[in-house]
Amino acid sequence: DAGVIQSPRHEVTEMGQEVTLRCKPISGHNSLFWYRQTMMRGLELLIYFNNNVPIDDSGMPEDRFSAKMPNASFSTLKIQPSEPRDSAVYFCASSPSRYGRGSFNEQFFGPGTRLTVL
Amino acid sequence: AQSVSQHNHHVILSEAASLELGCNYSYGGTVNLFWYVQYPGQHLQLLLKYFSGDPLVKGIKGFEAEFIKSKFSFNLRKPSVQWSDTAEYFCAVTPYSGAGSYQLTFGKGTKLSVIP
Repeated sequence: DAGVIQSPRHEVTEMGQEVTLRCKPISGHNSLFWYRQTMMRGLELLIYFNNNVPIDDSGMPEDRFSAKMPNASFSTLKIQPSEPRDSAVYFCASSPSRYGRGSFNEQFFGPGTRLTVL
Repeated sequence: AQSVSQHNHHVILSEAASLELGCNYSYGGTVNLFWYVQYPGQHLQLLLKYFSGDPLVKGIKGFEAEFIKSKFSFNLRKPSVQWSDTAEYFCAVTPYSGAGSYQLTFGKGTKLSVIP
């Protein structure tokens, strides 16, 4: 298996532009997570999907952020409009665990997208 | 909600020195515990995990961790570090089961620098 795939690996954009980050989870995994990593705040969970349905989006910073999972093999995280404080590494992770079905399994992380907003 | 505290922000060791990285968590119930490693410029990889059973867990690359329930701790150890262990190490916790068990809460991380 290729693991979790993210694109692009690096993104440099100007303030006010729309940014779309993409993720392909490991085939067969039911759960998908988007995280943001910064020096100040460490790793933060932004949103969690189970079976393509958003279960917890309480970590999404504000309305400028949105995430979708149209099918089991693809998810996007969109920032519109982007701001310099959005600069961070964004990780996607997937897990074979099922929400509400007992103990959760480990999460497998993608390589991340390093976003720089100028 | 659970929280994770990693005591050391940056640890510098010489090769062959022994390593212990501290991790304490705060949660009132049963937990699953993880250590992840992030090599420079790379994604997080699982080093080891504890779900139940023997509290001494062995992971990849010679790492081990001991779960001490009474101390809410899950310290990571390695008897002899190598230069290739230079990385950032993250402790993480989830509730053992129930609706919140997807919530992987990370510590702030400990950077390990190993000097040849």
